Amino acid sequence: QVQLLESGGGVVQPGTSLKVSCGTSGFPFSAYGMVWVRQAPGKGLEWVGLISFDGATTYYPDAVKGRFTISRDNSKSILSLQVSSLRADDTAVYYCAREKIAGAGTFDHWGQGTLVAVSS
Amino acid sequence: HSALTQPATVSGSPGQSITISCSGTSGDVGSDHLVSWYQQHPGRAPKLMIYEVNRRPSGVSSRFSGSKSGNTASLTISGLQAEDEADYYCCSYAHSGTSRYVFGTGTTVTVL
Repeated sequence: QVQLLESGGGVVQPGTSLKVSCGTSGFPFSAYGMVWVRQAPGKGLEWVGLISFDGATTYYPDAVKGRFTISRDNSKSILSLQVSSLRADDTAVYYCAREKIAGAGTFDHWGQGTLVAVSS
Repeated sequence: HSALTQPATVSGSPGQSITISCSGTSGDVGSDHLVSWYQQHPGRAPKLMIYEVNRRPSGVSSRFSGSKSGNTASLTISGLQAEDEADYYCCSYAHSGTSRYVFGTGTTVTVL
């Protein structure tokens, strides 16, 4: 069955960088766009990036553009999110999700999330 | 791109029907049929409940239905059950520069 598993979260200091990953299995990874969605403690969901099935195109909301970088390794079925210049308001659970239909905003499978806590 | 607007809380008794609204603009909700809804129980990952305004994924109860009118989408839960108590989020494609998606502010559903 489809599985997504995030890793790489933890406690990090402000101003540093962190890379979180999402290992996948159970589906043809290279055929699907993938997204990252975060959720600050006690807050709602926030879309923070999308990468096309082939990695050729990425999209970010203005709030994170320039600091967040999504990449993928289709040979290993791994999705990554690099976050630089971390700030306290980046503290959140970061979820990866599969885009069921390209461009349709339909995220049909999600990982369990990884917590990133930015604190000095 | 601003978050879509949802009511903070909606409540109902078992067996009743409730509706959650999701208000956006002509640049997101109102622009096409790309609105989805997610259910999230505490401490769990979100789960897709409705996509493309009114389509249900396999395995999702027919008690859940979606609709849209103008810039506002809606999720209706019929025959409310205790297990439906959760947070619900709408999500829309956003036709805005390099942005692509925007979530709603979220609604907590309470079963009385």
